Amino acid sequence: DVKVTQSSRYLVKRTGEKVFLECVQDMDHENMFWYRQDPGLGLRLIYFSYDVKMKEKGDIPEGYSVSREKKERFSLILESASTNQTSMYLCASSLNAGELFFGEGSRLTVL
Amino acid sequence: QQPVQSPQAVILREGEDAVINCSSSKALYSVHWYRQKHGEAPVFLMILLKGGEQKGHEKISASFNEKKQQSSLYLTASQLSYSGTYFCGTKTTGANSKLTFGKGITLSVRP
Repeated sequence: DVKVTQSSRYLVKRTGEKVFLECVQDMDHENMFWYRQDPGLGLRLIYFSYDVKMKEKGDIPEGYSVSREKKERFSLILESASTNQTSMYLCASSLNAGELFFGEGSRLTVL
Repeated sequence: QQPVQSPQAVILREGEDAVINCSSSKALYSVHWYRQKHGEAPVFLMILLKGGEQKGHEKISASFNEKKQQSSLYLTASQLSYSGTYFCGTKTTGANSKLTFGKGITLSVRP
């Protein structure tokens, strides 16, 4: 069964802290994505990657960075967390331009 | 640019039909439909490619009118399990197009 695993379901951080959100997929997919989900705003793309060590900005990359050192792992980094980054973060992967497989999500609260 | 989904919310009784719409102001290459149940990850329903094809998934089908840059999702004889938030994602024609999701529509099926 295909699986996208996000390391933390719930996190609480303080303003200014560095935050790492980890995502691992076991499907050998080339493409990986980080989305942010907020009520009334839908799913918004933060960053994506089509290959190892490759990254591209999505629609709302400000305040975030990513790392993809291995094919199966895609990390989202908040260098200095702020309260407006309180949100649900969803990681996804895909083999080609088709179906996205999503993880369960990481709910981040920044105090 | 984010596609526009309508209506904003749908409430129906078990066995009733519903239509959810997704429209874009730009020329579309593909439309992707996902359903997210409360507290769960979004799950893929179907992709429609440029060409006006119609697809089905159990009692859920969809159409893509590329002239109008619109897609509609048809839920027939709705079941309680159809409840959730439905997202459409669109890719425009042209190089390096990203999948952009709409804000989602909450659909509630009641006994």
